[in-house]
Amino acid sequence: GQQLNQSPQSMFIQEGEDVSMNCTSSSIFNTWLWYKQDPGEGPVLLIALYKAGELTSNGRLTAQFGITRKDSFLNISASIPSDVGIYFCAGRTGAQKLVFGQGTRLTINP
Amino acid sequence: ETGVTQTPRHLVMGMTNKKSLKCEQHLGHNAMYWYKQSAKKPLELMFVYNFKEQTENNSVPSRFSPECPNSSHLFLHLHTLQPEDSALYLCASSQDPTNTGANVLTFGAGSRLTVL
Repeated sequence: GQQLNQSPQSMFIQEGEDVSMNCTSSSIFNTWLWYKQDPGEGPVLLIALYKAGELTSNGRLTAQFGITRKDSFLNISASIPSDVGIYFCAGRTGAQKLVFGQGTRLTINP
Repeated sequence: ETGVTQTPRHLVMGMTNKKSLKCEQHLGHNAMYWYKQSAKKPLELMFVYNFKEQTENNSVPSRFSPECPNSSHLFLHLHTLQPEDSALYLCASSQDPTNTGANVLTFGAGSRLTVL
């Protein structure tokens, strides 16, 4: 079946630093979604991408739909303590179900 | 109430107990989902309901029994579970599972299940 490789699995950074994470697949996707999960909560949608090459921002977050349609990137600029959590990518091919990455756990040292 | 609401938030049960998880969505969506989230593993899709009809059962053991009485409510009935079933169970809803652009999932906060 389809699989997503999300990296890194965890990140330990200083407040104010920029963050980059990505997801790759051997399959071509038509949709890429990025979610964030706070401790004790469910995932919340951050950014949705529907076109190859699309670059979309949500505040300090920027995500891109890779040109090859096999990858996506999420960047966070000038991290703050509330950015702590687990970030998930999710992708879909056509009408197939969403496939989720393993998550990137972000920890920020003040 | 807004969004997707799950109850209970925490549940501890023995292997011989019977319990149920409840999910309610107030978004007017047509599809509802159950996902299992275990530590260090991707979210695992369990069941999908579209307009109250089950459209996907992802090879889930029969000790998990879903019920969808209407498009706003979804239950997961649990019986004779195993300790390895301990996990966070997430409910989600979406507007239309067949329309890629409208199929963004909205998740509930989850029910943390511990099986002793």
